[in-house]
Amino acid sequence: KAGVTQTPRYLIKTRGQQVTLSCSPISGHRSVSWYQQTPGQGLQFLFEYFSETQRNKGNFPGRFSGRQFSNSRSEMNVSTLELGDSALYLCASRLGGGWHNEQFFGPGTRLTVL
Amino acid sequence: KNEVEQSPQNLTAQEGEFITINCSYSVGISALHWLQQHPGGGIVSLFMLSSGKKKHGRLIATINIQEKHSSLHITASHPRDSAVYICAVKYGNKLVFGAGTILRVKS
Repeated sequence: KAGVTQTPRYLIKTRGQQVTLSCSPISGHRSVSWYQQTPGQGLQFLFEYFSETQRNKGNFPGRFSGRQFSNSRSEMNVSTLELGDSALYLCASRLGGGWHNEQFFGPGTRLTVL
Repeated sequence: KNEVEQSPQNLTAQEGEFITINCSYSVGISALHWLQQHPGGGIVSLFMLSSGKKKHGRLIATINIQEKHSSLHITASHPRDSAVYICAVKYGNKLVFGAGTILRVKS
């Protein structure tokens, strides 16, 4: 079974631009969570989608948004990029909606904002 | 004060040593996860605990719900265990991560 895939793996943008990152979960997994990892703040939870609905959201501004499609693939969008948005963005999928289920992480998208 | 505290922040060990990484949290939780992150960024979920103890190979994870504390032990450490180990807990609707413990095992 293929693992979680994320595209693109690397991305360079400039301040003010917007970016869309994609995540394809493991086949059959219906929950997708997104995380941001920076050297200063570590790993932080962005949001979680389950069956096309956002179920939980972390403490990030409205510039960060996401969605999930009927095939469980998910996208996250960051508008009006700031230098501080430079980070590794990770998504993880799990079979069901409960946090007791094991999460499987993708390789991440490394975003650099210049 | 961070909701999740890990110690130590950095740990260097000789191959074969027994290693313990600690995680403390401040409020009641429903589950605690231990994650491993290798250079390059890939994260692997090692354990999910809600009580007691779990073992997988040379890795052992324990949790004490009353004391709000979990430990990750590595027996007979090996250089390939060198990674960042992160604990994460679920508070309400959010998942909160510790800052991570950077482990280096020297041969």
